[in-house]
Amino acid sequence: GEDVEQSLFLSVREGDSSVINCTYTDSSSTYLYWYKQEPGAGLQLLTYIFSNMDMKQDQRLTVLLNKKDKHLSLRIADTQTGDSAIYFCAEDLGNTGKLIFGQGTTLQVKP
Amino acid sequence: NAGVTQTPKFRVLKTGQSMTLLCAQDMNHEYMYWYRQDPGMGLRLIHYSVGEGTTAKGEVPDGYNVSRLKKQNFLLGLESAAPSQTSVYFCASSYEGSGNQPQHFGDGTRLSIL
Repeated sequence: GEDVEQSLFLSVREGDSSVINCTYTDSSSTYLYWYKQEPGAGLQLLTYIFSNMDMKQDQRLTVLLNKKDKHLSLRIADTQTGDSAIYFCAEDLGNTGKLIFGQGTTLQVKP
Repeated sequence: NAGVTQTPKFRVLKTGQSMTLLCAQDMNHEYMYWYRQDPGMGLRLIHYSVGEGTTAKGEVPDGYNVSRLKKQNFLLGLESAAPSQTSVYFCASSYEGSGNQPQHFGDGTRLSIL
């Protein structure tokens, strides 16, 4: 079945770049998403990319998509302590509205 | 500017008790979803609805029922709570099912079953 995999933990220093990686299995996915979850809160959509794109940039965020390898990454430039959170990668299953989420990557930003 | 509102925020139940979680959205969205979040497992879809009066099973539907009598509300019921249903429950909504209409999430309901 469909599966999305992420590494569980990443630690960086404030000011460095963070790169969070994700692999997925469903080659028919149309969109891939990055969500952010802060402690005690729901998921906040950060950005998403259409499957026919290989890169999308939005201020400090850069999303790279390698469709051949089914690999998605999120780069956060100049990481700040406020970026500490859990980041979820998700893929859609066509036009069903259903999403498959990865396990989430906890980003720790050290001052 | 409420978005997606979940009630209650916290609840403790005893095994065998029943309860209903309420999700309300004010964005006129057609699609609504219920997920559960467990440590190390991301979010898993329980049930979803593609419009008023419709419901469908997701990845982990057993032990739960849902109803969508009004477009703005999506209810999740536990008829006989079990400790395995201890989790954080999230509701989400989207305008439609296409990918360029992303899901918007509530802040979650933390449910403990003793």
